[in-house]
Amino acid sequence: RKEVEQDPGPFNVPEGATVAFNCTYSNSASQSFFWYRQDCRKEPKLLMSVYSSGNEDGRFTAQLNRASQYISLLIRDSKLSDSATYLCVVRGGGGSYIPTFGRGTSLIVHP
Amino acid sequence: EPEVTQTPSHQVTQMGQEVILRCVPISNHLYFYWYRQILGQKVEFLVSFYNNEISEKSEIFDDQFSVERPDGSNFTLKIRSTKLEDSAMYFCASSESGLGNEKLFFGSGTQLSVL
Repeated sequence: RKEVEQDPGPFNVPEGATVAFNCTYSNSASQSFFWYRQDCRKEPKLLMSVYSSGNEDGRFTAQLNRASQYISLLIRDSKLSDSATYLCVVRGGGGSYIPTFGRGTSLIVHP
Repeated sequence: EPEVTQTPSHQVTQMGQEVILRCVPISNHLYFYWYRQILGQKVEFLVSFYNNEISEKSEIFDDQFSVERPDGSNFTLKIRSTKLEDSAMYFCASSESGLGNEKLFFGSGTQLSVL
């Protein structure tokens, strides 16, 4: 079973739309969760950490469901500049603190 | 914001040749990482480094790979005898500590092409 799974997409949405991505992880002992953004052939950049109670940063909302082992990212009022690949990252568990990346979900926001 | 720098940005080499990829982590960071991303695939962990030794490594990081911190600032990844399947973007990253809810800072990567 893959450690971190994401729907690769692409999600193709108009400007102003709300879009949600999900991610599931296999290691129930995982401790830290993140969403990174990656533009084409660029390095991953942290978008936001994901906290147990859920958290919001402007148009972005992240949720964690430990019981079901999934993480979500909601983007409201999508902008053209939101077009990118969104990487789910899970860290910790089993004595390792190495961040493990999902394959990413591609988002295309069109006018 | 402080940044991780990587050189070169592109490296083209012949199969069987040795390559060294270079990274300068953020100065007060203690943990260093190498990841790679084959075109169209996910970012894969190679190795982490702390206190001048490898702290974890993946199955990908076999005997062909080595890492070194030759001085107080550089962190290098060496591939001894490159194979076609080593072609990928290689990212260096660093963090202040290796634990907890902490951000990794990534360099802009070295695109390695093995011909």
